[in-house]
Amino acid sequence: GQQLNQSPQSMFIQEGEDVSMNCTSSSIFNTWLWYKQDPGEGPVLLIALYKAGELTSNGRLTAQFGITRKDSFLNISASIPSDVGIYFCAGLYNNNDMRFGAGTRLTVKP
Amino acid sequence: SAVISQKPSRDICQRGTSLTIQCQVDSQVTMMFWYRQQPGQSLTLIATANQGSEATYESGFVIDKFPISRPNLTFSTLTVSNMSPEDSSIYLCSVGGLQETQYFGPGTRLLVL
Repeated sequence: GQQLNQSPQSMFIQEGEDVSMNCTSSSIFNTWLWYKQDPGEGPVLLIALYKAGELTSNGRLTAQFGITRKDSFLNISASIPSDVGIYFCAGLYNNNDMRFGAGTRLTVKP
Repeated sequence: SAVISQKPSRDICQRGTSLTIQCQVDSQVTMMFWYRQQPGQSLTLIATANQGSEATYESGFVIDKFPISRPNLTFSTLTVSNMSPEDSSIYLCSVGGLQETQYFGPGTRLLVL
């Protein structure tokens, strides 16, 4: 089945720094989604990408759908303490068959 | 996006018992899903809850262990049957949104002793 490799597994950064994380796969996906999960909560959708090469922003977040359709990255600029959480990539192959990456745990030091 | 609620939000159960988790959506949705998130892990799809027919289970999950109901377009239940400590997880329902997005409920935190 389609497997996603998400990296890095964890990041410890200073407030104000930029963050970059990515997901790769050996399989093609039709849609890439990025979620954030806070402790004790369900994942919240941050950005959805639908076309190869698409670059989409949501405030300080920017994500891109790789041209090969096998990868995606998420950047967070000028991090703030509330960015702390676990970020998951998810790839959709078809009919809502969604696969998740293992997650990137982000810690922001004030 | 739809507002999704789950009950209970958390529970502690004895092994061998069963727990039914409810998922309620504030609008009619076609697609509803159930996921499991084991401690410190990512999300794994258990099944797609189909309205008016049997749920579609992913490999490794069976109806006898995780029976699912979907009586209408706003409600679904997942039962975790004959629980063991290995079933301790967060159970999440999600709904399909526009353009193949999925939105998640807050989750049910289950601890089996």
